[in-house]
Amino acid sequence: RKEVEQDPGPFNVPEGATVAFNCTYSNSASQSFFWYRQDCRKEPKLLMSVYSSGNEDGRFTAQLNRASQYISLLIRDSKLSDSATYLCVVNKGDYKLSFGAGTTVTVRA
Amino acid sequence: EPEVTQTPSHQVTQMGQEVILRCVPISNHLYFYWYRQILGQKVEFLVSFYNNEISEKSEIFDDQFSVERPDGSNFTLKIRSTKLEDSAMYFCASSANEKLFFGSGTQLSVL
Repeated sequence: RKEVEQDPGPFNVPEGATVAFNCTYSNSASQSFFWYRQDCRKEPKLLMSVYSSGNEDGRFTAQLNRASQYISLLIRDSKLSDSATYLCVVNKGDYKLSFGAGTTVTVRA
Repeated sequence: EPEVTQTPSHQVTQMGQEVILRCVPISNHLYFYWYRQILGQKVEFLVSFYNNEISEKSEIFDDQFSVERPDGSNFTLKIRSTKLEDSAMYFCASSANEKLFFGSGTQLSVL
């Protein structure tokens, strides 16, 4: 089983829609979790950190389910500028980070 | 806002040649990383560096790769004898905690 697995998508949604996707991780000892956003051919940028059950930042909500070992990201009222690849990153401990392959989201007008 | 800077942005080299990719991490950060991303694939960990030594490296980071922090500001990745399959975007990152800040990358093309 891969350390971090994501649905690659693409998720193709109209502007204003809500889109949600999950990330599963294999190491139950993982301590913290992150969502990064990556635009085409650009560097990943931190979107959100998830330390406890979840986190909300504006239109973005991340939830953590430790029992089932998954993290979700929900984007409300999606904008064209939300089109990107969203990377799930898991901290296994001691600053060892594992990256998922990313979920591609395309928001259309 | 402080940022991680990488040079060059693009590097083209012949197979078998040595390349050095350069990075200037954020000044008060203590952890430094190199990642790579082959076109269309996931971001892959290469190596982490802390306290002037490698703290972890992946299977990708074989004897052809080395890292150095030659002074107080630069962090370099050297590939001794490049192969075609080394063609990728190489990202440097630094952190003060577990949140990574990435540079804009060096696109390496091996011909």
